[in-house]
Amino acid sequence: DARVTQTPRHKVTEMGQEVTMRCQPILGHNTVFWYRQTMMQGLELLAYFRNRAPLDDSGMPKDRFSAEMPDATLATLKIQPSEPRDSAVYFCASGPRVLGELFFGEGSRLTVL
Amino acid sequence: GQNIDQPTEMTATEGAIVQINCTYQTSGFNGLFWYQQHAGEAPTFLSYNVLDGLEEKGRFSSFLSRSKGYSYLLLKELQMKDSASYLCAVADSNYQLIWGAGTKLIIKP
Repeated sequence: DARVTQTPRHKVTEMGQEVTMRCQPILGHNTVFWYRQTMMQGLELLAYFRNRAPLDDSGMPKDRFSAEMPDATLATLKIQPSEPRDSAVYFCASGPRVLGELFFGEGSRLTVL
Repeated sequence: GQNIDQPTEMTATEGAIVQINCTYQTSGFNGLFWYQQHAGEAPTFLSYNVLDGLEEKGRFSSFLSRSKGYSYLLLKELQMKDSASYLCAVADSNYQLIWGAGTKLIIKP
């Protein structure tokens, strides 16, 4: 049963610490997305990869966030240094084509104290 | 700017029918998606409309009018498990998904 896998599921950290979230997209999917979801903002796009190439990271605070896809089986989202306002659920999603159904991971719930 | 509007919250009764509306203003249009998200879980795909008209899938149907920038999701024979948030998303001219804030649907017995 193919699914998107995210780690960690939950993370509590202190302000200023580095946070790294990992995602394993579904094998064969060539689009990968990182989203952040809060009660106030809904789903915000942070980064978008197609065939591992970053296409859109305009929604990502560049001074502290970075997203990479070192190989087809791994996408990472890093926050350094983390701040309390980064507390949210971070979703990774992958899709088999440019336009179509997205498959979401279960999310990483981040709390920054 | 690009904008997706949907009601914040709706309440309906088990067994009834509910219609969740979504209006959009985007730079270009390459289709409209509906996703369901239960509390504490990930969004899951429900439907995709790119042409005008009604798409039916079991108890769920989705309608699109491109000229009006309007869609709705129709849920029939409501069940308690349908309590969830329903997200509307539009693919713009660059195939980027623009997401609405979601409609929280509360089902009462």
